[in-house]
This record gives sequence, C-alpha cells and structure tokens, in this order.
Amino acid sequence: AQSVSQHNHHVILSEAASLELGCNYSYGGTVNLFWYVQYPGQHLQLLLKYFSGDPLVKGIKGFEAEFIKSKFSFNLRKPSVQWSDTAEYFCAVNSGYQLIWGAGTKLIIKP
Amino acid sequence: KAGVTQTPRYLIKTRGQQVTLSCSPISGHRSVSWYQQTPGQGLQFLFEYFSETQRNKGNFPGRFSGRQFSNSRSEMNVSTLELGDSALYLCASSRSAGGDTGELFFGEGSRLTVL
Repeated sequence: AQSVSQHNHHVILSEAASLELGCNYSYGGTVNLFWYVQYPGQHLQLLLKYFSGDPLVKGIKGFEAEFIKSKFSFNLRKPSVQWSDTAEYFCAVNSGYQLIWGAGTKLIIKP
Repeated sequence: KAGVTQTPRYLIKTRGQQVTLSCSPISGHRSVSWYQQTPGQGLQFLFEYFSETQRNKGNFPGRFSGRQFSNSRSEMNVSTLELGDSALYLCASSRSAGGDTGELFFGEGSRLTVL
C-alpha cells in the first residue's frame, strides 16, 4: 500500500534557526505532492504544492520544498523560522484518486 | 468567499448514541471529503463524495457513513458511538474530485467527545 512517512513527529527550534522537515513516499509513479499546515486553533491550509516542472517549489510565508524523485522525497524547508511558524505540518501525496497523508510533524519555535 | 463550514463545532455524546455532522463546502465546490484527526493517528481518510456519489472510502467500519446532497452539502453519521470515536472530524472541499488535484480547503472541524 502507498504510504507517506514524516520522520520527525516533534521538532523544537529556536527562532532564526533553519528548518527542514522530511517527507518520503512509497509510490513509484507520477505523483502530486503537498504540504499543509495547521496553526494552533486554525484549520488546515495548503502551504505549497508540486505538480510538475521545477522541483523546487515556493510556498507561503517563506517556505519551500524540493522534490527529489530518485529519493521519493519532498522535504519542507525554511531558512529562518519565526515563533509564528509554530504549527503542525502535514505532507500529502496524490497518487491517483486519493490523497495519502503523513502523520504530521509538530513544530514548536521557542522565542 | 465563504469558507468550508462545519456544524456543530463541539459536541459531547455517550457511548451507544449516534451523531450527525454537517459540512457546507465552498460555493462551486462539488467534492467533499471527510477525515478523522486524532493525536495518535493523524489524519485518517473516511470518505469522499462528488456530485452526490461516494467516490472513495477509507478503512473505517460501517458505523461511519455519509451522504451528499444536490447542493453539495454533506453529512456524516456515526452510529453506536464508541470511546475511540472521540476525535476532530474534518471536512474538506474541492472543485474537482479531491484526489485529482489534492488541493483541499478545510473547515475548522467538529470536535466529538464520547463519554
């Protein structure tokens, strides 16, 4: 069965630190890739997406992600995090007719 | 434009009861997906409806059911509630069948507590 793995369930960083959240998927065919974010008390929202083209995609709030097909990965990055980035981040992969979700990574930024 | 609206936002039930949750998608969106979110399991896909037809179903028991109306509004029902059904139930809408583009718009959820 297709699966999505997010390696870190909890990440704690200080403000201004660099961030990289891992996401790996198991499907070998054509995929669409997504990162969603859920800020405390808010609804899930799309952070960025990759369908095709440049494997480095930029999203809102300074986030970016790189699709590496050979590694089945779509890691999320941000050069310098802020306290307001505290949230839960979900990676999702569309391999056909359904989105497959990772378990999520809770990110806590210490002021 | 208005976002995805879920009602009720909070509810408390006891074991054995049943519950109905409602979701109004963004205007023009024909697909509604339902998810169960719990701290330990993350987001678990329940089902998706598109143009009043169930398109996909996740791995949940038959106690979980849903439907979609002609105006795209959707309801999900859980019968014979169990303690383990306590969760945040999320609804997401999209213009096309959700899995095709993956771009979902989520509501704030209905938080169900089963005592």
